[in-house]
Amino acid sequence: DAGVIQSPRHEVTEMGQEVTLRCKPISGHNSLFWYRQTMMRGLELLIYFNNNVPIDDSGMPEDRFSAKMPNASFSTLKIQPSEPRDSAVYFCASSLAGGHTQYFGPGTRLTVL
Amino acid sequence: GENVEQHPSTLSVQEGDSAVIKCTYSDSASNYFPWYKQELGKGPQLIIDIRSNVGEKKDQRIAVTLNKTAKHFSLHITETQPEDSAVYFCAASRSESQGNLIFGKGTKLSVKP
Repeated sequence: DAGVIQSPRHEVTEMGQEVTLRCKPISGHNSLFWYRQTMMRGLELLIYFNNNVPIDDSGMPEDRFSAKMPNASFSTLKIQPSEPRDSAVYFCASSLAGGHTQYFGPGTRLTVL
Repeated sequence: GENVEQHPSTLSVQEGDSAVIKCTYSDSASNYFPWYKQELGKGPQLIIDIRSNVGEKKDQRIAVTLNKTAKHFSLHITETQPEDSAVYFCAASRSESQGNLIFGKGTKLSVKP
């Protein structure tokens, strides 16, 4: 299995631009998680889906952030408009529903200038 | 909600020595406690986990202990090697949360040859 796939690996953009991060979970997994990692705040859960349905989005920082999971093999995290404080590494993880082991992707390093 | 505290934030040991990382949690209903290892430029990877019906679990050079009464759990690495150098994260969750992990802030372990 290829594991969790994220794209792009690196993104540099200017303040005010729209940013879209993409994730393909492990085939057969039906839970998907988006995390943000910074030095100051560590690993923060932004949102997670079970069977493509958002279950808990309480970690989404503000309305500028949105996430979708149109099908079992694809999810996006969008930031519009982006701000310098959004600079971080964003991880996607997936797991089997009812199981706890989360498998993380390699992350997307986002820099907003 | 759950809060996970992790100590120390940095740990430096000589190759061959043991390393211990400790975590405490606040939610007595938490019953799943995984440990993740994150190498530079990569996503966290599960290295060992323990459930609340078990007090200790070992896997070669790594072991985890759990004290439910005191609400703390620890990671023990024996005979450390330079390749053990990484950031280690503890986490906690309830089974009914369907995988909503709360992570500690991480411990940067350096193993000096």
